[in-house]
Amino acid sequence: KNEVEQSPQNLTAQEGEFITINCSYSVGISALHWLQQHPGGGIVSLFMLSSGKKKHGRLIATINIQEKHSSLHITASHPRDSAVYICAATDQGAQKLVFGQGTRLTINP
Amino acid sequence: SAVISQKPSRDICQRGTSLTIQCQVDSQVTMMFWYRQQPGQSLTLIATANQGSEATYESGFVIDKFPISRPNLTFSTLTVSNMSPEDSSIYLCSVPPAASTDTQYFGPGTRLTVL
Repeated sequence: KNEVEQSPQNLTAQEGEFITINCSYSVGISALHWLQQHPGGGIVSLFMLSSGKKKHGRLIATINIQEKHSSLHITASHPRDSAVYICAATDQGAQKLVFGQGTRLTINP
Repeated sequence: SAVISQKPSRDICQRGTSLTIQCQVDSQVTMMFWYRQQPGQSLTLIATANQGSEATYESGFVIDKFPISRPNLTFSTLTVSNMSPEDSSIYLCSVPPAASTDTQYFGPGTRLTVL
């Protein structure tokens, strides 16, 4: 069993839909990251959070430390949101990341 | 914030040869990470490169195959030695957040294809 699990693995939606990607982890963490990877391979860090909720534009990330669960939400989704979204946990006591397997999101116009 | 550049951005190499990937950061950082992403897979940590000491390798990765240099606080190289088609991957360098409110930073990646 992976230490960081994401669901779903693939998600296809229509433009404008509300998107939720889930992440569960079994390790002790100091922070939880949401990353975005476009087809070219480059990775952009969207959020790093250790508690509560963060919002940036149409993106919202939440974390529940007790339940070891985080969600990434996209409101009013757009085709340019199409990418692979990766959840990663910073190992408690270290600074290296443990990655989920990624969620491939496709938003159709 | 940190801006990371990598060279080359992509390469196609022959089996048995070696390729050195460069990673440059626009600020001084203590730790740099090298990751591999095999086709269709998520990222796997190869090693942690600290300036002034030998790199720390993760299980399944060895120095003879992936030698790393870290000559200063802004630069590192990863060499993929004696390549085989199984080494075809995206290789990324990364630096950790500078503060608790900061984020992880990634280079643009090097897409390697081994024939």
